[in-house]
Amino acid sequence: QQPVQSPQAVILREGEDAVINCSSSKALYSVHWYRQKHGEAPVFLMILLKGGEQKGHDKISASFNEKKQQSSLYLTASQLSYSGTYFCGTGRPSNTGKLIFGQGTTLQVKP
Amino acid sequence: EAQVTQNPRYLITVTGKKLTVTCSQNMNHEYMSWYRQDPGLGLRQIYYSMNVEVTDKGDVPEGYKVSRKEKRNFPLILESPSPNQTSLYFCASQGQIHYNEQFFGPGTRLTVL
Repeated sequence: QQPVQSPQAVILREGEDAVINCSSSKALYSVHWYRQKHGEAPVFLMILLKGGEQKGHDKISASFNEKKQQSSLYLTASQLSYSGTYFCGTGRPSNTGKLIFGQGTTLQVKP
Repeated sequence: EAQVTQNPRYLITVTGKKLTVTCSQNMNHEYMSWYRQDPGLGLRQIYYSMNVEVTDKGDVPEGYKVSRKEKRNFPLILESPSPNQTSLYFCASQGQIHYNEQFFGPGTRLTVL
């Protein structure tokens, strides 16, 4: 079952902050975040693991609430280059490592 | 350069004409996946493979086949394409499951008339 992302779309001015949420109805082991520019492949942003471990870019921050099965991606002081569609992918606590992606959140940053 | 390649990048075909989309990675990754992307639906997994000769269905496997005879290659086969398979397809590879990012290929835009 797909995780639910919110909001579906957001428009910001440069320098403003945004939070994108990802919520699952299933117990999670990992949450991945990716950004996709129009016409391009998704690009990795961050991995959050059960237990608190994180891997990702220095300028991106995120949280993972294991009990609530939710993750949030924090975009601060947004730049024009942050525009795109953001996807979360959730991994269950099993051996397959299968990722199920949300429907995406479209972010537009204006000058 | 570490990369995932897909071919062709664009394909227009007709209903029922078998086609194969190739995917190859040069990172010695064990885990590979195929996704389709449709507006408003995000990325939906078609099939995935955890290693050579080990494949399993994703969320939308109907009408697709895959094979994993070599570690680097993971072709997607549409034996009898239909218009509802018109979509943007991505192949992805990943190192250690859960702990490593997925690397996506550039995508294949398929139109079935």
